[in-house]
Amino acid sequence: KQEVTQIPAALSVPEGENLVLNCSFTDSAIYNLQWFRQDPGKGLTSLLLIQSSQREQTSGRLNASLDKSSGRSTLYIAASQPGDSATYLCAVRPDNAGNMLTFGGGTRLMVKP
Amino acid sequence: DAGVIQSPRHEVTEMGQEVTLRCKPISGHDYLFWYRQTMMRGLELLIYFNNNVPIDDSGMPEDRFSAKMPNASFSTLKIQPSEPRDSAVYFCASSTNRVGETQYFGPGTRLLVL
Repeated sequence: KQEVTQIPAALSVPEGENLVLNCSFTDSAIYNLQWFRQDPGKGLTSLLLIQSSQREQTSGRLNASLDKSSGRSTLYIAASQPGDSATYLCAVRPDNAGNMLTFGGGTRLMVKP
Repeated sequence: DAGVIQSPRHEVTEMGQEVTLRCKPISGHDYLFWYRQTMMRGLELLIYFNNNVPIDDSGMPEDRFSAKMPNASFSTLKIQPSEPRDSAVYFCASSTNRVGETQYFGPGTRLLVL
């Protein structure tokens, strides 16, 4: 059974810092990996999606990398801002599981002004 | 498009009562997913549909939970009878079957069973 782990569970940084969120998964047979953002009391919003054949994806100040063989992904946030404060979730879609996603527990990020 | 619509947004009920959660997916999406989110267990997939047909319900916790999708624009998740441990935020999401497509989440229904 696929298990997804995110470290750290919570992170507090001053504004302007570059930071890295980590995600690991136990079964490397994945179709793709996604990073989502969740604001308090809201649903999830997809930030970046990396196909299993890709190594990274970038969107603005966000960069996600994927090392499928080692079962790891990182989300890099450059020049963090208070508006980046949210919970970030990693999710993997297994090769053989239709369109299902398995989520990590999330990292709760607070960026202080 | 208005995105995925869920109702109600908040529900407070007493143990033993029936609870029905509703979802309208994004028009044209083939897949619909029901998730439950709690502090202890995180985000868990309960069931998902493809073209209105249930594909995998292995995440449904027990027989008290049931889900239907009578047409492409409507789905329900029913809990009968409800218990305090069912208190959680329930999300509905939808997607197309295109390669690389993400899932689009609704705002969730926050359920409290007293």
